[in-house]
Amino acid sequence: EDQVTQSPEALRLQEGESSSLNCSYTVSGLRGLFWYRQDPGKGPEFLFTLYSAGEEKEKERLKATLTKKESFLHITAPKPEDSATYLCAGLGVIQGAQKLVFGQGTRLTINP
Amino acid sequence: DTGVSQDPRHKITKRGQNVTFRCDPISEHNRLYWYRQTLGQGPEFLTYFQNEAQLEKSRLLSDRFSAERPKGSFSTLEIQRTEQGDSAMYLCASSLGFYSTSEAFFGQGTRLTVV
Repeated sequence: EDQVTQSPEALRLQEGESSSLNCSYTVSGLRGLFWYRQDPGKGPEFLFTLYSAGEEKEKERLKATLTKKESFLHITAPKPEDSATYLCAGLGVIQGAQKLVFGQGTRLTINP
Repeated sequence: DTGVSQDPRHKITKRGQNVTFRCDPISEHNRLYWYRQTLGQGPEFLTYFQNEAQLEKSRLLSDRFSAERPKGSFSTLEIQRTEQGDSAMYLCASSLGFYSTSEAFFGQGTRLTVV
């Protein structure tokens, strides 16, 4: 069964303290690995899609990387406004239909 | 077109009542997804449309749930005889393309509370 697991479940950092979030996946016929940011009470906001192992993408203080089994979201010198839940999702193809399989998210808190 | 739009944003209903949610995808996006998210969990896939065709339904989608996408434009998700366990955020997402991958953009969700 397709599965995406994120760790840690929650992470508390001081402002400026860099760290990484992990996403491990087993998704049939993986077509892409997606990262989203979600603020409380809102829908997920698209950040990145990674398509192949070795690929990297950056946006401001965030950098996403992909291997054959996992993806990392690196956060460099975070600010309090980076506090949110970060969701990882694998895009799989089952019987010709594409669907996103999400992890449970990592709740990130950046203290000033 | 500024993004995926969902209506209503919040819905409180009594157990046993029927509710219907609407999703307007980004214009020209041919794929539309419905997800359900409970507190502290990631979104769970419910169903998926390519144009007007409903291609897959999750086991989570009981007989009380039905989704439509007439003419391949907006979509509706109806829940009949609501139960307290249906309380969740219902998210809609849309994307462009057929067999290529592309970004899926989400709406703000409809928060359902069954009392």
